[in-house]
Amino acid sequence: GAGVSQSPSNKVTEKGKDVELRCDPISGHTALYWYRQSLGQGLEFLIYFQGNSAPDKSGLPSDRFSAERTGGSVSTLTIQRTQQEDSAVYLCASSLVAGGPPDTQYFGPGTRLTVL
Amino acid sequence: DQQVKQNSPSLSVQEGRISILNCDYTNSMFDYFLWYKKYPAEGPTFLISISSIKDKNEDGRFTVFLNKSAKHLSLHIVPSQPGDSAVYFCAASETSGTYKYIFGTGTRLKVLA
Repeated sequence: GAGVSQSPSNKVTEKGKDVELRCDPISGHTALYWYRQSLGQGLEFLIYFQGNSAPDKSGLPSDRFSAERTGGSVSTLTIQRTQQEDSAVYLCASSLVAGGPPDTQYFGPGTRLTVL
Repeated sequence: DQQVKQNSPSLSVQEGRISILNCDYTNSMFDYFLWYKKYPAEGPTFLISISSIKDKNEDGRFTVFLNKSAKHLSLHIVPSQPGDSAVYFCAASETSGTYKYIFGTGTRLKVLA
């Protein structure tokens, strides 16, 4: 079956521009996560969606970052007024259900964002 | 404050030998641990996990050991194969309803043929 897909795979933008990154989770997965991996760093949690519940935005680094999930499926991560420190690989993951014992998160291939 | 640490950024092992990847954590509330493997240009893929009620979990060539008193876990790969060359991340979580994984910085394993 289809895994988690993300688009674009690479994005180069100029400082100050806005970017949108897209994630298509595995069909039927109710939980969706965004992470980012900066150079030499581990995966950093950004935001989490579970069904119709309010998202956990506690990992978003600034108010320039926002995300939405439409219809409980596709998610878009938006970064406004990009800065060079936003350059990273942005990874999306989904899981069947969250809460209780952790279930396996399945990751997409990521979007490599480069801010010039 | 890095709650999950992988202090070895890289490791080289001869094919057929054992690979041992280490991970330390500081948060005593963590009770569920995972290892993910990542190839270049791909997302991390789940490899193996362990709950804190166990001290060992084995899946084929992969075994994870957990030492709760030392807050240390390790991944053993025996025998190592060239296809195992990848970046390995350990992650930790609390099972008390939280879903967040805290990841380490990864160890790049290179298995030499």
